[in-house]
Amino acid sequence: EAGVTQFPSHSVIEKGQTVTLRCDPISGHDNLYWYRRVMGKEIKFLLHFVKESKQDESGMPNNRFLAERTGGTYSTLKVQPAELEDSGVYFCASSHRRLGIGETQYFGPGTRLLVL
Amino acid sequence: DQQVKQNSPSLSVQEGRISILNCDYTNSMFDYFLWYKKYPAEGPTFLISISSIKDKNEDGRFTVFLNKSAKHLSLHIVPSQPGDSAVYFCAARYYGNNRLAFGKGNQVVVIP
Repeated sequence: EAGVTQFPSHSVIEKGQTVTLRCDPISGHDNLYWYRRVMGKEIKFLLHFVKESKQDESGMPNNRFLAERTGGTYSTLKVQPAELEDSGVYFCASSHRRLGIGETQYFGPGTRLLVL
Repeated sequence: DQQVKQNSPSLSVQEGRISILNCDYTNSMFDYFLWYKKYPAEGPTFLISISSIKDKNEDGRFTVFLNKSAKHLSLHIVPSQPGDSAVYFCAARYYGNNRLAFGKGNQVVVIP
């Protein structure tokens, strides 16, 4: 079974530019999450999709961030315009259903974003 | 406001000995706890979990203990192996919600 995949693995952009990150969850997983880790800090929740619907977007930092999951399959996270403080590693995770005993969120390898 | 805390950022342990990682949390609404392991340039990999209704869960060399009254959990790895060298994250799930709150991680180095 293929794991969670993310594209690109790295992105270096200039302040003010736009970047779009993509996540392909594990096939059949309805839940899809975005997290971010800024250098030296903890991994922080950004938002949660159930299929194509945003279940919880309480972690989104501001309106420069836009996440979509059309058709309930892959998801994109767009940052427009990017700022220096947006630099970090963006992780995507997916899970089959509400977490229960023996279930978990499976993480992708992350996209390393550097805004110059 | 960090609700999951991992102190002692790094730990070195001899191969074959026990590694103990600690995690404290402040939110009583957490109902499920997980440990993830992370190698450089990779995403976190699930290791072991425990529900708030239990106090211990064991899986091979890994055991997680939960002290709900103290809001404290720990991960024991025994015996430690060189391949266990990684960063370990403690995570907690909010009751009624799927999102996870993470600690900052502990770097473990197992010395052969």
